[in-house]
Parts: sequence; C-alpha cells; structure tokens
Amino acid sequence: DTGVSQDPRHKITKRGQNVTFRCDPISEHNRLYWYRQTLGQGPEFLTYFQNEAQLEKSRLLSDRFSAERPKGSFSTLEIQRTEQGDSAMYLCASSSPQGGTYEQYFGPGTRLTVT
Amino acid sequence: AQRVTQPEKLLSVFKGAPVELKCNYSYSGSPELFWYVQYSRQRLQLLLRHISRESIKGFTADLNKGETSFHLKKPFAQEEDSAMYYCALLIQGAQKLVFGQGTRLTINP
Repeated sequence: DTGVSQDPRHKITKRGQNVTFRCDPISEHNRLYWYRQTLGQGPEFLTYFQNEAQLEKSRLLSDRFSAERPKGSFSTLEIQRTEQGDSAMYLCASSSPQGGTYEQYFGPGTRLTVT
Repeated sequence: AQRVTQPEKLLSVFKGAPVELKCNYSYSGSPELFWYVQYSRQRLQLLLRHISRESIKGFTADLNKGETSFHLKKPFAQEEDSAMYYCALLIQGAQKLVFGQGTRLTINP
C-alpha cells in the first residue's frame, strides 16, 4: 500500500497521559497536514508542513499539542496531559503540486479515546 | 469568515432516483471547492473538484458564485453511492481545507 499510513490506528489512554501519533506520507509528497475529526463533524485543520517547515497552525492546536516533521518525511503529533476533550479521530494527509494542484490524500486516521 | 455549510446531516433516496447534496460556502477569496467521500470502513477520498469540471461516478458539481453554492448531483442514484459526503473549501495561502459537517447518504433498494 503506497498511500498515507498512520500509526497506531487506535489509542486508548488515561487522562493526563501523553500520546504520540505517527504519519507516513506518500513518498515524495512535500506537504503534510494534520486534521482532527470529532463525532458528527467534518475534519478540522490543525497544522501543515511544507517539507520540514511548519507553516500554519490552527488555534485549535493548544500548547499541549506539538507536531514535528524531521527531515521532511514522516511526521509526529504529540498531545501532552491528555484531556477527555482530546478524544477524536486524528487524520493525516499529504500532497504534492502535481499538475498545479495540491490534492490532499488522507490516511486512515488514529482514533484516540481518553478515559 | 471561512465556512462550509451542509444543511442535511442525513439524506435518504431510493435507487434510481436523483440525488442532490447541498453545500454552501462563505469565503472572501477566490473559492476552490471539493467534494470528498468516505465509504464504510474506508478512508476519506477526493470525489471531485470544481476546477476539473468533470463527472466522477456519475456525480457532478457546479460552482455557483452568485449563490455561493457547490451542490453535488447525480441523476440516478445507485446503492454503492451510500456513504458520507463532505464538501470542502481550500483556503489559499494557508493551504488548509475547511470541511462541512458532512451528509450521510443512504440509497434504499
């Protein structure tokens, strides 16, 4: 499978614990995005990278959240001191400027449950 | 404000009937709009984008700037069209997608 992959697919954690998610984009895609999706809602943008540079961050991304993309390949999203409100599906997407467009290809998501 | 509104959370039609999923947007810039679909147990995938002006799986969508709408249409629904559909707006510069809350389409046999 050469699509976007995410690990783990499911994570259950206790409130106050730290969690880290990984996203592997499609090879050679220079842009990588993180979104969060809660039940009954569409995905909401969190942040995006062009290569290793983090270029945009949503106000949803509180100081407990940090994202990195070392070397412009895979990315990690860490949530510190998790809260029950962090329970959601975390989606990763990647894109490249092929054909002059930046179509975003999504991964399967990581479902986080904070108990 | 940048916003995408899908007024119907649920839509149910019979096989062979026409389908229209509504999408309205609010955006001060030049809009670039997409429809994404998520079939059961699959990942979110692009269905079509307005700049392509193409028909995918029998679906079409026309951007109406006057009405700020981008409704998705199909003349004859098929059972395999049952899925969750999201309308999305690309914010230039930030390169982020703003999604509507989605419409769950169910095609009854």
